[in-house]
Amino acid sequence: GENVEQHPSTLSVQEGDSAVIKCTYSDSASNYFPWYKQELGKRPQLIIDIRSNVGEKKDQRIAVTLNKTAKHFSLHITETQPEDSAVYFCAAMGNYGQNFVFGPGTRLSVLP
Amino acid sequence: DSGVTQTPKHLITATGQRVTLRCSPRSGDLSVYWYQQSLDQGLQFLIQYYNGEERAKGNILERFSAQQFPDLHSELNLSSLELGDSALYFCASSSWDRGREETQYFGPGTRLLVL
Repeated sequence: GENVEQHPSTLSVQEGDSAVIKCTYSDSASNYFPWYKQELGKRPQLIIDIRSNVGEKKDQRIAVTLNKTAKHFSLHITETQPEDSAVYFCAAMGNYGQNFVFGPGTRLSVLP
Repeated sequence: DSGVTQTPKHLITATGQRVTLRCSPRSGDLSVYWYQQSLDQGLQFLIQYYNGEERAKGNILERFSAQQFPDLHSELNLSSLELGDSALYFCASSSWDRGREETQYFGPGTRLLVL
């Protein structure tokens, strides 16, 4: 089955700096890669997603890149703000209900 | 607010007991997913239903079962509860159809504590 690794597990950055979180997946059949942000005690919320027919997607300060050949994808947050502090989960999903696998999460702390 | 509702918000019970968690998907979504999140852990996929039928199964224990009703709400039944079942249980819904994975919107979760 699918296996998703996520690095780093914790990340601290200064406000205004960039943050990068990387995920790798094992199943080449996975074709949908969402990123979720989860604040303490709250539900995961989708922040950006990418499909396997796209290499990069950007939404304001957030961008995701996908390298299908290498089976890895990354989340980039620029100009970080204290409210970006949360746990971020990547996921790899395939068609027909296969491979609903989330990464273990990255705890991001943005220091003022 | 994602539009996905879950009840109850909190549940405290004893080992060996059985509980039922309820989820109502977003209006129009036919697909419901259940996840378990233990303390400071990631999200473990349990099971997916689509329009009343089981569509995919993850690491769901035999003591757990789920169903989706004609009105599309779903219930997750946990029986013979153990201390290790204490966790946050999330339900998510999407407009998944014909094999194309779509965004999953999560409910607020049910926090289960087994004593």
